[in-house]
Amino acid sequence: EAAVTQSPRSKVAVTGGKVTLSCHQTNNHDYMYWYRQDTGHGLRLIHYSYVADSTEKGDIPDGYKASRPSQENFSLILELASLSQTAVYFCASSGTEDTQYFGPGTRLLVL
Amino acid sequence: GDQVKQSPSALSLQEGTNSALRCNFSIATTTVQWFLQNPRGSLMNLFYLVPGTKENGRLKSTFNSKESYSTLHIRDAQLEDSGTYFCAAGVRGSALGRLHFGAGTQLIVIP
Repeated sequence: EAAVTQSPRSKVAVTGGKVTLSCHQTNNHDYMYWYRQDTGHGLRLIHYSYVADSTEKGDIPDGYKASRPSQENFSLILELASLSQTAVYFCASSGTEDTQYFGPGTRLLVL
Repeated sequence: GDQVKQSPSALSLQEGTNSALRCNFSIATTTVQWFLQNPRGSLMNLFYLVPGTKENGRLKSTFNSKESYSTLHIRDAQLEDSGTYFCAAGVRGSALGRLHFGAGTQLIVIP
């Protein structure tokens, strides 16, 4: 089974502050993704990456940046956190098979 | 918009009974994935489908690409089947690995 870890598992941030969420995978997968989940809803794609040092915009990229410094690591950056970014954030990875494996999620509360 | 529509949105099942969840797609779907989000929030892979049927224990899933739907059948429901089931569509013409999620079906299995 794929192993995807996220840190922190939960975070409280202040409005206007900078937040960095980290994701690490140990499965040699090329593809990595960041999603957000709002209470009672499905997942929406924020950013994704096919290869180190390259990122692509997903469906809801506004207010978020992403960084893929290596194949194993993929970060999501909120430069100026806002109340509307309170959500649970999931990282996922996939290989050539296309099946996505998810991390445990990070609960972010912006006050 | 509702490119991936799941039904029902919520469901209660008596332990030991059977049921079916459905996803209808209004986008050109080439692959389907089904996930279970348990009450603690973790997302688990259930199935990855190209057109056809897969079975795993008490779960069976079918993807009919011509009629643009997928179903997940649960046989002999158990308490541990409780959680939210998500389907996600892999879309023709979309970047490899990008998924479009439905809003989920919340399942409660009652003793």
